[in-house]
Amino acid sequence: NAGVTQTPKFRILKIGQSMTLQCAQDMNHNYMYWYRQDPGMGLKLIYYSVGAGITDKGEVPNGYNVSRSTTEDFPLRLELAAPSQTSVYFCASSSGSNIQYFGAGTRLSVL
Amino acid sequence: SQKIEQNSEALNIQEGKTATLTCNYTNYSPAYLQWYRQDPGRGPVFLLLIRENEKEKRKERLKVTFDTTLKQSLFHITASQPADSATYLCALERDQAGTALIFGKGTTLSVSS
Repeated sequence: NAGVTQTPKFRILKIGQSMTLQCAQDMNHNYMYWYRQDPGMGLKLIYYSVGAGITDKGEVPNGYNVSRSTTEDFPLRLELAAPSQTSVYFCASSSGSNIQYFGAGTRLSVL
Repeated sequence: SQKIEQNSEALNIQEGKTATLTCNYTNYSPAYLQWYRQDPGRGPVFLLLIRENEKEKRKERLKVTFDTTLKQSLFHITASQPADSATYLCALERDQAGTALIFGKGTTLSVSS
């Protein structure tokens, strides 16, 4: 059972570069989420989606973009990477039960 | 929107004792509250959900209480073991639409043998 799969696991970017963090789930969940987690700061919601074609901003959306063209995939795009985006990024999915299932995370450093 | 606080950043206890973690929220009473466990380098894993009309929920050595008057949930691990060492996060609905969660910063529990 794959659950929520995030790629890559690690990445180092230079300032100004762009990249896409991939997230895929195989549980047919309608709801998907992107969080960032900084040391001692807890999980902050970046963007979320309640179904294919529908996305909404969370607490910290600036500098990020998302799309949801299929139920399974919810990629997160960083257009112009900044050092402040150095963090661990988690993707999660949920059915209507509100319980969230998380991926293993992507560790991103922007230097 | 909701605010959520986990008062202790770290809790150290001896094996066999009961660990008690606290989660407080402000504003309106949520329909439910959840607890997750996070190990270093891994994503959070769901443990328990308690609804507003439930005072207490148990799962093996875990117990969660929910007091809507105090706006507080307590998370207990009885007969704690070193394997229980992890960070524990509480979460509740971000707003009354209920489509997303907000998480506390977590309490890191260390159980020594």
